[in-house]
Amino acid sequence: AQSVTQLDSQVPVFEEAPVELRCNYSSSVSVYLFWYVQYPNQGLQLLLKYLSGSTLVKGINGFEAEFNKSQTSFHLRKPSVHISDTAEYFCAVSDLEGGGADGLTFGKGTHLIIQP
Amino acid sequence: DAGITQSPRHKVTETGTPVTLRCHQTENHRYMYWYRQDPGHGLRLIHYSYGVKDTDKGEVSDGYSVSRSKTEDFLLTLESATSSQTSVYFCAIKRGPEIRNTQYFGPGTRLTVL
Repeated sequence: AQSVTQLDSQVPVFEEAPVELRCNYSSSVSVYLFWYVQYPNQGLQLLLKYLSGSTLVKGINGFEAEFNKSQTSFHLRKPSVHISDTAEYFCAVSDLEGGGADGLTFGKGTHLIIQP
Repeated sequence: DAGITQSPRHKVTETGTPVTLRCHQTENHRYMYWYRQDPGHGLRLIHYSYGVKDTDKGEVSDGYSVSRSKTEDFLLTLESATSSQTSVYFCAIKRGPEIRNTQYFGPGTRLTVL
């Protein structure tokens, strides 16, 4: 079984400042990793994913994340945030057992608040 | 747009009544999932399906049942709704090669049980 910890429930950042949202996972097997964004009163939108290959993955809206196997982390970063980035961000993991058919395990989410 | 619709989008019901939520997909994907989202819990898997009539339980399946008689529809039923089932329910499909579990979500159904 796997678990996901998002260390910050809320992150306030000034507009145009950089941001890092932290995600750590626990799993005894190899994993796939995902970041999703949820804007107010909407569904979840896939930001980026790590499946294999390069540990630095780039996603939509200027976000990127780095997979660190030794630290079991998958932190999300953006060099300069905008007001429109205000949203809830979820880290999720899926292990490779069962052929990857099982559901995702999600963290509890981080609310990113952009201050003007 | 993942080609997923959910109905109804909002529902208010009373304790003890049965409720069925529908997830409909237009892209013929094999795998479909139901999650619930609650403050402080993120999303948690209720049930999933890996084909017509093939379903399995997730982390929080107690009080829920599912059915999938057609590839495009995945139904979630609360046989006797309770206030603890007040939540936002999301359906998802898995898109991509079999072992790469990238999931895409529908718009959600907000259910309130009074």
